[in-house]
Amino acid sequence: AQTVTQSQPEMSVQEAETVTLSCTYDTSESDYYLFWYKQPPSRQMILVIRQEAYKQQNATENRFSVNFQKAAKSFSLKISDSQLGDAAMYFCAYRSPDSNSGYALNFGKGTSLLVTP
Amino acid sequence: GAGVSQSPRYKVAKRGQDVALRCDPISGHVSLFWYQQALGQGPEFLTYFQNEAQLDKSGLPSDRFFAERPEGSVSTLKIQRTQQEDSAVYLCASSPRLAGGVGELFFGEGSRLTVL
Repeated sequence: AQTVTQSQPEMSVQEAETVTLSCTYDTSESDYYLFWYKQPPSRQMILVIRQEAYKQQNATENRFSVNFQKAAKSFSLKISDSQLGDAAMYFCAYRSPDSNSGYALNFGKGTSLLVTP
Repeated sequence: GAGVSQSPRYKVAKRGQDVALRCDPISGHVSLFWYQQALGQGPEFLTYFQNEAQLDKSGLPSDRFFAERPEGSVSTLKIQRTQQEDSAVYLCASSPRLAGGVGELFFGEGSRLTVL
């Protein structure tokens, strides 16, 4: 099974600054999907950004961007111009591309992001 | 409703009791997932439904866990003879895409189960 590792249990950033959350994963598959999800204190998980492994270009969504290093099996999330509303748990997740490998999203343990004024 | 609704939001059960957790997905969503999230951990996959068919139950931790979605809409996760290790938040997610598409999941707020 694929494993996802988030080595930073907690991170802190000041408003308007930039922060990078780390994620590494282990897989023998050549094609797959990677995601970052945000879970605010209300617990409703929200998709932040996704990356398809066959695409070399790093995904961006407004203030959120990723640094996808396929050879290193690394998928970090950069949040620019941090806002108070960005405070949440952030989960990195992996999914195989087809149902033969199952339907599960494999999540890391999460990184708690604190945003200070 | 506009989003995925789960009930109850909080449930306290004595060890050995049976519990049932309900998920109302977004209307028309073909895919429905259940995840278990223990304290301080990421969600762990339990099971997946495509309409009424349970296509993947590989994540159910034991035969005490049972899920159904008989009419392809509302789903119930049942846990029999609850144990303390079952204490967790149970998340339901639905999607308009088969297998959840590329991460297009809409999560509910979860049901927090505490087993005493």
